[in-house]
Amino acid sequence: AQSVAQPEDQVNVAEGNPLTVKCTYSVSGNPYLFWYVQYPNRGLQFLLKYITGDNLVKGSYGFEAEFNKSQTSFHLKKPSALVSDSALYFCAVRDAPRLRLTGGGNKLTFGTGTQLKVEL
Amino acid sequence: DTGVSQDPRHKITKRGQNVTFRCDPISEHNRLYWYRQTLGQGPEFLTYFQNEAQLEKSRLLSDRFSAERPKGSFSTLEIQRTEQGDSAMYLCASSTGPEAFFGQGTRLTVV
Repeated sequence: AQSVAQPEDQVNVAEGNPLTVKCTYSVSGNPYLFWYVQYPNRGLQFLLKYITGDNLVKGSYGFEAEFNKSQTSFHLKKPSALVSDSALYFCAVRDAPRLRLTGGGNKLTFGTGTQLKVEL
Repeated sequence: DTGVSQDPRHKITKRGQNVTFRCDPISEHNRLYWYRQTLGQGPEFLTYFQNEAQLEKSRLLSDRFSAERPKGSFSTLEIQRTEQGDSAMYLCASSTGPEAFFGQGTRLTVV
């Protein structure tokens, strides 16, 4: 079974400071990892993904995430936070597809979310 | 707007009534997913379609829930005999590649 842990319910950061939102995962095979952001009363917006290759992946709005296989982590980072980054962030994982014909393993498993609050 | 579209955005229903939600995926996305999100939780997988075939269903999807995707285009999620515990945000997503793109959701309130 696949799972995701986001150990912090809330992260508070001053505008202009770097931010980190933590995520650890568990899958049986190779992971596909994702970060999504959710603003109030809105659906989830895709930020970035790790499939393979470089451990540091860059995404939308200046966000990046670092894949660490030994620590099974995929922390979200941004060098300089903005007040407009305040939102709910979700980490998600799925097993890399092994059953191409049947489409098995496509479901995403999400963490419980981390509320990011960026203050002036 | 060419994103995933869900209708209605909000639904209030009395316990015991049936409700149906619709999802229009991004054009040419062959995969479609339904998730449920309750307050303070991440989205939980309900079911997955590849084209018109329903390939995976969560144990969360009780017999009162049914989903269809006729002709592999739009999808409907029906809940029969609604219960207060069904109150949640129902999210639809579609994809062709690894990442899924979500609609804005249908918020269901069962009173």
